Amino acid sequence: DAKTTQPTSMDCAEGRAANLPCNHSTISGNEYVYWYRQIHSQGPQYIIHGLKNNETNEMASLIITEDRKSSTLILPHATLRDTAVYYCIVRANYGGSQGNLIFGKGTKLSVKP
Amino acid sequence: DGGITQSPKYLFRKEGQNVTLSCEQNLNHDAMYWYRQDPGQGLRLIYYSQIVNDFQKGDIAEGYSVSREKKESFPLTVTSAQKNPTAFYLCASSIERPGGGKRDTQYFGPGTRLTVL
Repeated sequence: DAKTTQPTSMDCAEGRAANLPCNHSTISGNEYVYWYRQIHSQGPQYIIHGLKNNETNEMASLIITEDRKSSTLILPHATLRDTAVYYCIVRANYGGSQGNLIFGKGTKLSVKP
Repeated sequence: DGGITQSPKYLFRKEGQNVTLSCEQNLNHDAMYWYRQDPGQGLRLIYYSQIVNDFQKGDIAEGYSVSREKKESFPLTVTSAQKNPTAFYLCASSIERPGGGKRDTQYFGPGTRLTVL
C-alpha cells in the first residue's frame, strides 16, 4: 500500500502557483519523499525529491515540514501543460523490495485558463 | 537522443497468446524496472533488474517473465497464465538501485498499452 495521502483532485488558475499537499505521517528517518507526474497516457516524469531540507529545481520546489510528516510540491507558475496526475511517494534509501517506488492514486491537477 | 524506448505503443493480442514487450535504454543505466498500470490506478511493480543477468520479482510477478541478457534491454513477456493482461505497461531505468539519491532516480519510457481480445 502507498504510504502517502493526497487529495484526489485540485484546480489551479493558469499563471498562479499550484501547491500540492501530501501527508506521510509514518515516514521513517531514512525514507525520501519523491514527486512524479503523469500526463495522460504517457510515462511518469520525475520532478523532485528530498529527505528533510527544502529542495528547488527548474521544475518545482519541495517543502518538507520539520517533523517530515507532510510536504508540499509547489509549481510556481502553472501552465496548461502542467495538467497531470501528481504522485507523492516515500521511498527507502536501501536495496531490495523496500527500495521500490510505490505509486498511489495521486492528485489530478487541472490547470485552467 | 538518450532515453528509454518502448515498442510498440499499442499492442493487441488474442487471449491465450504470449506476448513480449520491448524496453531499450541508451542511458547506460544498471537498473531497469517493469510496472503495470490499470485505469485510474497507480503503478505496480512487476519485475526489476539491478544488473545484467539478474532480476527479482516485484509485487505482481505472477504470469510474467523477464530476461536481462544485455544492459540496455529488459524485455517483458506476458504469458497466457496472466489472468488480466490488458493494461498500460511502463518500463523505467535508473543509474543504480539503492541509495535514495539522484543516482537511483527512476526515469520512465512512454509505455505500451496492451489489449487482449
